[in-house]
Amino acid sequence: QSALTQPASVSGSPGQSITISCTGSSSDIGNYKYVSWYQHHPGKAPKVLISEVSNRPSAVPNRFSGSKSGNTAYLTISGLQAEDEAYYYCSSYTSSSTYVLFGGGTKLTVL
Amino acid sequence: QVQLQESGPGLVKPSQTLSLSCTVSDGSISSGAYYWSWIRQHPGQGLEWIGYIYNSGSTYYNPSLRSRVTISVDPSNDQFSLRLDSVTAADTAVYYCARKTGLYYFDYWGQGTLVTVSS
Repeated sequence: QSALTQPASVSGSPGQSITISCTGSSSDIGNYKYVSWYQHHPGKAPKVLISEVSNRPSAVPNRFSGSKSGNTAYLTISGLQAEDEAYYYCSSYTSSSTYVLFGGGTKLTVL
Repeated sequence: QVQLQESGPGLVKPSQTLSLSCTVSDGSISSGAYYWSWIRQHPGQGLEWIGYIYNSGSTYYNPSLRSRVTISVDPSNDQFSLRLDSVTAADTAVYYCARKTGLYYFDYWGQGTLVTVSS
């Protein structure tokens, strides 16, 4: 069982918006700004979408956004496109000796 | 565009040592600015951080693997390596190398390599 909890799957139609949650604790998401999100198409290298809760690298479309409330972080994808169909993982720094936690991953299906 | 590429055996026998290398394309391994990391994904599961090494040679390991893991760096060859001792079937996974920034995110990853532990 992964330390950060994500829904196993979400789906949406092209053009719609979806939000993926990532729930941790006060030892990680709740008290630190070091939350990141990754997109993974199987067989390819994972790609960072969001760092530090809501910072988006310049190469990432602004359809992708991140936020946080309490112990839960969120990734929102607006204007869904077919190529967004992939697995999405959250990650956070943790004050425990593990240093880095990942979520179990969420499979996004674009209907 | 930074590229990372894992290499190593795809099959390891139980009780033996898993050894992987990661080649970094842009020379940033010598910059001193990044943490060179290994992450794995068991079949059908999420990601698990294994550990990372800072250019000073400081290493940080997942406590669950610390007794069996060694990460080292070879800047002269633009490579860093993973060694996992006494493997079992539970170590069967896709292993990724990645570059971590000082802000606790991984900005570049390799494509991953599947390592199967089986006799």
